[in-house]
Amino acid sequence: QVQLVESGGGVVQPGRSLRLSCAAAGFSFSTYDMHWVRQAPGKGLEWVTVISYDGRNKYYADSVMGRFTVSRDNSKNTLYLQMNSLRPEDTAVYYCAKQFAVTPHFDYWGQGTLVTVSS
Amino acid sequence: EIVMTQSPATLSVSPGERATLSCRASQSVSSNLAWYQQKPGQAPRLLIYGASTRATGIPVRFSGSGSGTEFTLTISSLQSEDFAVYYCQQYNNWPPWTFGQGTKVEIK
Repeated sequence: QVQLVESGGGVVQPGRSLRLSCAAAGFSFSTYDMHWVRQAPGKGLEWVTVISYDGRNKYYADSVMGRFTVSRDNSKNTLYLQMNSLRPEDTAVYYCAKQFAVTPHFDYWGQGTLVTVSS
Repeated sequence: EIVMTQSPATLSVSPGERATLSCRASQSVSSNLAWYQQKPGQAPRLLIYGASTRATGIPVRFSGSGSGTEFTLTISSLQSEDFAVYYCQQYNNWPPWTFGQGTKVEIK
């Protein structure tokens, strides 16, 4: 079955960097677009970024443009999110999500990893 | 950017009763609308896509309807495990993919 396992979260000071990982299993990772979605404590869902199956195309939310970079290693079945210049408002649970094959909604989600930006 | 608005923010329902949740888009999204369920401490789970197609393994008591700008998620007879927060999401015009703010279904 599909498994998505995020890691790399933690407490980081404002202005510092953090890299999240999402290990995928149970499907052909290299053939699916993948997303990061975040959820601030007690808040709703916010889409962050998407990367195409081959890594060529990437899109970002305005709130993270220029600070976050998404990448993937299809040989390792792993998705990454490099987060630089972190701000307190980036504090959230970060989920990776698999895009459905036919239409671009999200059919599987990881359990999430918590990022806390605080001094 | 398409703004998704859900109502009500909180819905109080007794077990066994019907729950009706609404989602409105700021412009037409055709039928490119999904619903997700999220329980406390858990990741969201896909319920409905294409406005009305149940995802794999989703019980028939969950149904979706609508197109264009107005959508509805109906839970025909609420079970204890259905008390959760529900989000709609449009995937017609992207990026960005946008979500509603959520409707919490609580026990009356």
